Amino acid sequence: DTAVSQTPKYLVTQMGNDKSIKCEQNLGHDTMYWYKQDSKKFLKIMFSYNNKELIINETVPNRFSPKSPDKAHLNLHINSLELGDSAVYFCASSTPGRELGNTIYFGEGSWLTVV
Amino acid sequence: SQQGEEDPQALSIQEGENATMNCSYKTSINNLQWYRQNSGRGLVHLILIRSNEREKHSGRLRVTLDTSKKSSSLLITASRAADTASYFCATGANNLFFGTGTRLTVIP
Repeated sequence: DTAVSQTPKYLVTQMGNDKSIKCEQNLGHDTMYWYKQDSKKFLKIMFSYNNKELIINETVPNRFSPKSPDKAHLNLHINSLELGDSAVYFCASSTPGRELGNTIYFGEGSWLTVV
Repeated sequence: SQQGEEDPQALSIQEGENATMNCSYKTSINNLQWYRQNSGRGLVHLILIRSNEREKHSGRLRVTLDTSKKSSSLLITASRAADTASYFCATGANNLFFGTGTRLTVIP
């Protein structure tokens, strides 16, 4: 039973295309995220979203947009793909814990290559 | 930036040895977490230490936190080849901000 699942795992596409990565979590968590990991393994948060609020990292281009049809899903849409968008994109989820912070559960990643 | 920074960037040890990784951060924190990432996989939570704790253990893992120095360390004792992975520290209350990771290689 995969807790956070994302598809596709691998995606190769041409510059200028529009693509989506889907994410679903079956943990009943309130908050979902998208992270981007570049070739140097640097992990950067892109978005966090719960029922009430979408928080966007201001450094993320507006070509990237999250779409949440319901609490268990947060899909990532990318328009006009650029070479620099090539990276691994991780979906994740969490729920406020009793401790002072969230433990985040990650999906297995989606490898996006823009050619 | 709330980001943490791990040190060293890469570490290679023999199986059975201990591995120590360090993390420095810049802002005040309520807690600090450590995550592990196997090659080609997602990150997995290892351990969380609160700001009022100085040390915490979980199996072969030992985490320390020094809030005065804004630093934390992760010690893996009696390392195994299966411990080969990247290790990240993370801080933040709602959104987690990750460091750049330490790539650990345990040689059988």
